[in-house]
Amino acid sequence: AQSVTQLGSHVSVSEGALVLLRCNYSSSVPPYLFWYVQYPNQGLQLLLKYTSAATLVKGINGFEAEFKKSETSFHLTKPSAHMSDAAEYFCAVSNAGNMLTFGGGTRLMVKP
Amino acid sequence: EAQVTQNPRYLITVTGKKLTVTCSQNMNHEYMSWYRQDPGLGLRQIYYSMNVEVTDKGDVPEGYKVSRKEKRNFPLILESPSPNQTSLYFCASRYSHTLKGSSGANVLTFGAGSRLTVL
Repeated sequence: AQSVTQLGSHVSVSEGALVLLRCNYSSSVPPYLFWYVQYPNQGLQLLLKYTSAATLVKGINGFEAEFKKSETSFHLTKPSAHMSDAAEYFCAVSNAGNMLTFGGGTRLMVKP
Repeated sequence: EAQVTQNPRYLITVTGKKLTVTCSQNMNHEYMSWYRQDPGLGLRQIYYSMNVEVTDKGDVPEGYKVSRKEKRNFPLILESPSPNQTSLYFCASRYSHTLKGSSGANVLTFGAGSRLTVL
């Protein structure tokens, strides 16, 4: 079975500060890992994904995530937060099959 | 424009009154899936379909039905809705095939969501 844990259901940062959203996963096989973002009243859209190529993955809007197998982590970072980054972020894990398992989500708030 | 379309976007209904949430995609995707989103629980899969006439249960299938008679459509049916089915529902689709690796790496395209309230 696979699972995802996102530490912190709410994260608040100041505009211009570092964004760090934490994700830990468990999977019995090498995983595929995703970060999705959900803006208010919208569906989810892909930020970035890891599929066993480079461990540091760059996504849209300046976000990136690093796959660390030894820590079973896939934390999402952005050097400098912007007001438009306020949204809910979901980490998800998939394997070679058809199950995509989501974490509980982290709501990012950006203060002016 | 490539998209997944859900209807209705908002619905308030009463316990026991059958309802259907439609989902349609225009990307010729084989795989379609329904999720429900509840605070603190993230998205949980209800049902998924690998292709026409092929459906399977996800993590929380109780109280729901689906059908896949056409490739583009994947309706979610609540035969007798109950208040614990009040939630935000998302339909999503993706390709099942891939040039290398596995289909698990394929990215889902999501609809905008359907907010359902059962009184």
